[in-house]
Amino acid sequence: DGGITQSPKYLFRKEGQNVTLSCEQNLNHDAMYWYRQDPGQGLRLIYYSQIVNDFQKGDIAEGYSVSREKKESFPLTVTSAQKNPTAFYLCASSIRRDTQYFGPGTRLTVL
Amino acid sequence: SQQGEEDPQALSIQEGENATMNCSYKTSINNLQWYRQNSGRGLVHLILIRSNEREKHSGRLRVTLDTSKKSSSLLITASRAADTASYFCATDAGNMLTFGGGTRLMVKP
Repeated sequence: DGGITQSPKYLFRKEGQNVTLSCEQNLNHDAMYWYRQDPGQGLRLIYYSQIVNDFQKGDIAEGYSVSREKKESFPLTVTSAQKNPTAFYLCASSIRRDTQYFGPGTRLTVL
Repeated sequence: SQQGEEDPQALSIQEGENATMNCSYKTSINNLQWYRQNSGRGLVHLILIRSNEREKHSGRLRVTLDTSKKSSSLLITASRAADTASYFCATDAGNMLTFGGGTRLMVKP
């Protein structure tokens, strides 16, 4: 069953905590992306990676960090420096820039 | 930076009617894509139109692209209640995709 998975589906964070969102794909895609979506809004790019061991900042990278140690995995850490982290987080992958395949998303809520 | 802007922001129609959504963008692009998002879910790719194409069809979907006006439209014909979702345009300007704010479509049975 090929696809892109994200876990957990729901995540709750206390103030000052770092949390890590998982994103895994078995599509053999080189590129992976993390987006943030606020209610009723479009997607904003946080980080992207076009190849293993390399990643680039997107439009709203402050307060987030990523790693790309394996082709299949692109975890996102939301750090305590992100002051307004409550949002819906979407991971995507692609072979080229043409078409992106999205995971089901993780909804993060700060308590 | 939000390259694409959809219009209208929300659209409500009856089942069987056609739905038209528009997208405007600011810079030259390689291609423009349309995605669909059901509430609380990930996005699903619908159709891609390249900068040298003017019109493309896929099932009940018709996409047009006017690079001189920097605009695109998505037409869904004979809409169904299951078409209720948010629709986003995304532009590829050479580095990454940039998504618009979306059109929320409601199709009433």
